[in-house]
Amino acid sequence: EPEVTQTPSHQVTQMGQEVILRCVPISNHLYFYWYRQILGQKVEFLVSFYNNEISEKSEIFDDQFSVERPDGSNFTLKIRSTKLEDSAMYFCATQTGNEQFFGPGTRLTVL
Amino acid sequence: AQKVTQAQTEISVVEKEDVTLDCVYETRDTTYYLFWYKQPPSGELVFLIRRNSFDEQNEISGRYSWNFQKSTSSFNFTITASQVVDSAVYFCALSLTTSGTYKYIFGTGTRLKVLA
Repeated sequence: EPEVTQTPSHQVTQMGQEVILRCVPISNHLYFYWYRQILGQKVEFLVSFYNNEISEKSEIFDDQFSVERPDGSNFTLKIRSTKLEDSAMYFCATQTGNEQFFGPGTRLTVL
Repeated sequence: AQKVTQAQTEISVVEKEDVTLDCVYETRDTTYYLFWYKQPPSGELVFLIRRNSFDEQNEISGRYSWNFQKSTSSFNFTITASQVVDSAVYFCALSLTTSGTYKYIFGTGTRLKVLA
Protein backbone atom coordinates (compact mmCIF):
# COMPACT_ATOMS: atom_id res chain seq x y z
CA GLU A 1 0.00 0.00 0.00
CA PRO A 2 1.41 3.43 -0.92
CA GLU A 3 2.69 5.49 1.98
CA VAL A 4 3.83 9.01 2.66
CA THR A 5 7.47 9.00 3.70
CA GLN A 6 9.40 11.67 5.57
CA THR A 7 13.10 12.25 6.07
CA PRO A 8 14.86 12.52 8.35
CA SER A 9 13.01 10.80 11.16
CA HIS A 10 14.87 12.92 13.68
CA GLN A 11 16.79 16.14 13.14
CA VAL A 12 18.85 17.94 15.75
CA THR A 13 19.99 21.45 14.97
CA GLN A 14 21.39 24.53 16.63
CA MET A 15 19.27 27.60 17.14
CA GLY A 16 19.55 29.94 14.18
CA GLN A 17 20.35 27.20 11.68
CA GLU A 18 18.24 26.45 8.63
CA VAL A 19 16.55 23.07 8.36
CA ILE A 20 14.75 21.38 5.51
CA LEU A 21 12.27 18.64 6.22
CA ARG A 22 11.42 16.37 3.34
CA CYS A 23 8.30 14.48 2.40
CA VAL A 24 7.65 12.11 -0.46
CA PRO A 25 3.92 12.18 -1.20
CA ILE A 26 1.89 9.31 -2.48
CA SER A 27 2.01 9.27 -6.25
CA ASN A 28 -0.86 11.13 -7.96
CA HIS A 29 -1.85 12.99 -4.83
CA LEU A 30 -2.26 16.68 -5.58
CA TYR A 31 -2.80 18.33 -2.21
CA PHE A 32 -0.06 18.53 0.38
CA TYR A 33 0.02 19.66 3.98
CA TRP A 34 2.37 20.28 6.85
CA TYR A 35 1.28 20.01 10.46
CA ARG A 36 3.20 20.58 13.67
CA GLN A 37 2.88 18.94 17.06
CA ILE A 38 4.77 20.41 19.98
CA LEU A 39 5.54 17.71 22.52
CA GLY A 40 2.48 16.85 24.57
CA GLN A 41 0.20 19.16 22.62
CA LYS A 42 -2.26 18.85 19.78
CA VAL A 43 -1.48 18.58 16.09
CA GLU A 44 -1.71 22.00 14.44
CA PHE A 45 -2.19 22.88 10.78
CA LEU A 46 0.67 24.86 9.25
CA VAL A 47 0.09 25.08 5.51
CA SER A 48 -1.64 23.51 2.54
CA PHE A 49 -0.16 23.41 -0.95
CA TYR A 50 -1.78 22.78 -4.31
CA ASN A 51 -0.74 23.37 -7.89
CA ASN A 52 2.66 24.65 -6.79
CA GLU A 53 1.35 27.33 -4.53
CA ILE A 54 0.16 27.80 -0.97
CA SER A 55 -3.60 27.36 -0.64
CA GLU A 56 -3.87 28.30 2.99
CA LYS A 57 -1.53 28.95 5.89
CA SER A 58 -1.99 29.35 9.59
CA GLU A 59 -0.74 32.11 11.86
CA ILE A 60 2.11 29.83 12.88
CA PHE A 61 3.42 29.78 9.31
CA ASP A 62 5.32 33.05 9.39
CA ASP A 63 8.15 34.35 7.21
CA GLN A 64 10.57 31.85 8.74
CA PHE A 65 8.74 29.02 7.00
CA SER A 66 8.53 28.15 3.33
CA VAL A 67 7.36 25.17 1.30
CA GLU A 68 8.08 23.95 -2.18
CA ARG A 69 8.15 20.97 -4.51
CA PRO A 70 11.65 21.37 -5.89
CA ASP A 71 11.63 18.39 -8.22
CA GLY A 72 7.99 17.48 -8.68
CA SER A 73 8.21 14.62 -6.23
CA ASN A 74 9.56 15.79 -2.87
CA PHE A 75 7.58 18.30 -0.83
CA THR A 76 9.74 20.27 1.56
CA LEU A 77 9.29 22.49 4.58
CA LYS A 78 12.12 24.92 5.25
CA ILE A 79 12.64 26.78 8.48
CA ARG A 80 15.11 29.58 7.80
CA SER A 81 16.41 30.38 11.24
CA THR A 82 15.27 27.87 13.82
CA LYS A 83 14.19 28.88 17.30
CA LEU A 84 13.93 26.79 20.42
CA GLU A 85 10.15 26.86 20.12
CA ASP A 86 10.34 25.22 16.69
CA SER A 87 11.17 21.96 18.45
CA ALA A 88 8.27 19.69 17.55
CA MET A 89 7.11 16.76 15.47
CA TYR A 90 6.35 17.81 11.91
CA PHE A 91 3.89 15.74 9.93
CA CYS A 92 3.47 15.83 6.19
CA ALA A 93 0.14 14.75 4.74
CA THR A 94 -1.05 14.23 1.19
CA GLN A 95 -4.58 14.06 -0.01
CA THR A 96 -6.70 12.33 -2.56
CA GLY A 97 -10.42 12.95 -2.69
CA ASN A 98 -11.30 14.09 0.80
CA GLU A 99 -8.93 11.94 2.79
CA GLN A 100 -5.44 12.83 4.00
CA PHE A 101 -2.65 10.35 4.53
CA PHE A 102 -0.09 11.25 7.14
CA GLY A 103 3.60 10.50 7.08
CA PRO A 104 5.40 9.12 10.13
CA GLY A 105 6.71 12.55 11.11
CA THR A 106 10.08 14.23 11.60
CA ARG A 107 11.04 15.05 15.15
CA LEU A 108 12.93 18.36 15.13
CA THR A 109 15.00 19.26 18.16
CA VAL A 110 16.45 22.76 18.33
CA LEU A 111 19.26 23.23 20.86
CA ALA B 1 -15.47 29.30 14.67
CA GLN B 2 -14.31 25.76 14.08
CA LYS B 3 -13.13 23.84 17.05
CA VAL B 4 -12.73 20.35 18.44
CA THR B 5 -12.92 19.74 22.16
CA GLN B 6 -11.71 16.64 23.93
CA ALA B 7 -12.44 17.42 27.54
CA GLN B 8 -10.83 14.28 28.93
CA THR B 9 -7.11 14.90 29.22
CA GLU B 10 -6.25 11.49 30.58
CA ILE B 11 -8.18 8.33 31.35
CA SER B 12 -6.92 5.27 33.17
CA VAL B 13 -8.76 1.96 33.06
CA VAL B 14 -8.01 -1.59 34.00
CA GLU B 15 -7.66 -4.10 31.23
CA LYS B 16 -10.97 -5.49 29.92
CA GLU B 17 -12.92 -2.44 31.01
CA ASP B 18 -14.88 -0.49 28.42
CA VAL B 19 -13.90 3.13 27.90
CA THR B 20 -15.47 6.01 25.98
CA LEU B 21 -13.51 8.95 24.67
CA ASP B 22 -15.53 12.08 24.11
CA CYS B 23 -15.29 14.50 21.21
CA VAL B 24 -17.37 17.62 20.68
CA TYR B 25 -16.94 19.77 17.60
CA GLU B 26 -18.06 23.18 16.42
CA THR B 27 -18.56 24.27 12.83
CA ARG B 28 -21.04 26.22 10.78
CA ASP B 29 -20.25 24.19 7.69
CA THR B 30 -22.91 21.71 6.64
CA THR B 31 -20.40 19.44 4.93
CA TYR B 32 -17.50 18.22 7.00
CA TYR B 33 -15.65 15.11 8.04
CA LEU B 34 -14.75 13.77 11.42
CA PHE B 35 -11.85 11.51 12.24
CA TRP B 36 -10.23 9.61 15.05
CA TYR B 37 -6.51 8.95 15.15
CA LYS B 38 -4.40 6.95 17.55
CA GLN B 39 -0.91 8.15 18.45
CA PRO B 40 1.17 5.45 20.15
CA PRO B 41 4.38 6.33 22.01
CA SER B 42 6.33 5.95 18.75
CA GLY B 43 4.62 9.15 17.58
CA GLU B 44 2.98 8.33 14.29
CA LEU B 45 -0.68 9.09 13.64
CA VAL B 46 -2.69 5.94 13.02
CA PHE B 47 -5.96 6.47 11.18
CA LEU B 48 -8.95 4.82 12.85
CA ILE B 49 -12.10 6.13 11.23
CA ARG B 50 -13.60 8.82 9.01
CA ARG B 51 -17.22 9.91 9.09
CA ASN B 52 -18.91 12.49 6.88
CA SER B 53 -21.53 14.88 8.17
CA PHE B 54 -24.33 13.25 6.22
CA ASP B 55 -23.79 9.80 7.64
CA GLU B 56 -24.97 9.50 11.21
CA GLN B 57 -24.90 5.76 11.34
CA ASN B 58 -22.88 4.40 14.17
CA GLU B 59 -20.02 2.13 13.26
CA ILE B 60 -18.42 -0.86 14.87
CA SER B 61 -15.06 -2.30 13.98
CA GLY B 62 -14.00 -5.13 16.22
CA ARG B 63 -13.62 -3.73 19.73
CA TYR B 64 -13.99 -0.16 18.48
CA SER B 65 -17.27 1.68 17.99
CA TRP B 66 -18.18 5.24 17.20
CA ASN B 67 -21.30 7.22 18.05
CA PHE B 68 -21.91 10.26 15.84
CA GLN B 69 -24.71 12.60 16.93
CA LYS B 70 -25.18 15.79 14.95
CA SER B 71 -27.79 17.06 17.38
CA THR B 72 -25.14 17.33 20.09
CA SER B 73 -22.16 17.83 17.75
CA SER B 74 -20.46 14.83 19.24
CA PHE B 75 -18.43 11.98 17.82
CA ASN B 76 -17.56 9.67 20.68
CA PHE B 77 -15.30 6.65 20.51
CA THR B 78 -15.72 3.53 22.63
CA ILE B 79 -13.21 0.76 23.13
CA THR B 80 -14.77 -2.43 24.44
CA ALA B 81 -12.73 -4.80 26.57
CA SER B 82 -9.68 -2.56 26.55
CA GLN B 83 -6.20 -4.01 26.22
CA VAL B 84 -2.79 -2.73 27.26
CA VAL B 85 -1.95 -2.20 23.58
CA ASP B 86 -4.74 0.37 23.42
CA SER B 87 -2.64 2.69 25.58
CA ALA B 88 -1.98 5.77 23.46
CA VAL B 89 -3.11 9.32 22.87
CA TYR B 90 -6.29 9.52 20.83
CA PHE B 91 -7.11 12.55 18.72
CA CYS B 92 -10.43 13.58 17.25
CA ALA B 93 -10.24 15.83 14.18
CA LEU B 94 -12.57 17.90 12.04
CA SER B 95 -11.95 18.45 8.35
CA LEU B 96 -13.29 21.51 6.59
CA THR B 97 -13.20 22.58 2.98
CA THR B 98 -11.44 25.82 2.23
CA SER B 99 -10.63 26.62 -1.36
CA GLY B 100 -10.80 22.95 -2.19
CA THR B 101 -8.41 21.78 0.49
CA TYR B 102 -9.38 19.99 3.66
CA LYS B 103 -7.26 21.16 6.54
CA TYR B 104 -7.72 19.16 9.70
CA ILE B 105 -8.50 20.74 13.04
CA PHE B 106 -7.43 18.48 15.87
CA GLY B 107 -8.59 18.28 19.44
CA THR B 108 -6.09 18.33 22.27
CA GLY B 109 -6.17 14.57 22.58
CA THR B 110 -7.02 12.12 25.33
CA ARG B 111 -4.27 9.99 26.82
CA LEU B 112 -5.59 6.52 27.53
CA LYS B 113 -3.72 4.29 29.95
CA VAL B 114 -4.82 0.70 30.13
CA LEU B 115 -3.40 -1.06 33.17
CA ALA B 116 -2.81 -4.78 33.28
